[in-house]
Amino acid sequence: AQSVTQLGSHVSVSEGALVLLRCNYSSSVPPYLFWYVQYPNQGLQLLLKYTSAATLVKGINGFEAEFKKSETSFHLTKPSAHMSDAAEYFCAVSAGGGSNYKLTFGKGTLLTVNP
Amino acid sequence: DADVTQTPRNRITKTGKRIMLECSQTKGHDRMYWYRQDPGLGLRLIYYSFDVKDINKGEISDGYSVSRQAQAKFSLSLESAIPNQTALYFCATSDRTSGAVRDTQYFGPGTRLTVL
Repeated sequence: AQSVTQLGSHVSVSEGALVLLRCNYSSSVPPYLFWYVQYPNQGLQLLLKYTSAATLVKGINGFEAEFKKSETSFHLTKPSAHMSDAAEYFCAVSAGGGSNYKLTFGKGTLLTVNP
Repeated sequence: DADVTQTPRNRITKTGKRIMLECSQTKGHDRMYWYRQDPGLGLRLIYYSFDVKDINKGEISDGYSVSRQAQAKFSLSLESAIPNQTALYFCATSDRTSGAVRDTQYFGPGTRLTVL
């Protein structure tokens, strides 16, 4: 079984400040981990993914995430927030090389960027 | 043009009506999925299909049915819509190859359904 917990349903930062969105996972096998972003009135767009190669993963729009097995975490960061980063962010887990291909999503974190 | 399209984008209907949501993709992927999104609940899987002859229930399939008309088309039906099916519905696709490529899903723009 696999699950994802996103800590904080709403995060608010000032423009130029650090963005930190938290994700903890549970998986019985080595996982693949994903961050998706959903802009208003749009579908989900893949931001980045961890696939058991480098533990620090760089994605689009300056975001990155670090896989920490000991902490079962995959937190998303960006050094300097931009107004255009305002969106909802979803962390998701799949069972890596296992036969369970399904993605399990967290409940999402809404990021607000204040001018 | 978008790789994954959904029609309609918005729909308002009444309790008891039959509704069909359609999804088409040009990515050439074998696997397709239907999710619903509710505020504060994230995305929940309704049905998924590995190919035209392989359709499976997800975690919340009650009240829904699907049809995989072709590799590129996957429709979701609400046989008798009820108000608690008001939600945002997403279609997604993924490739059949192994590993992270297989598990990476690509989403359509969504259909906002309101059941009165």
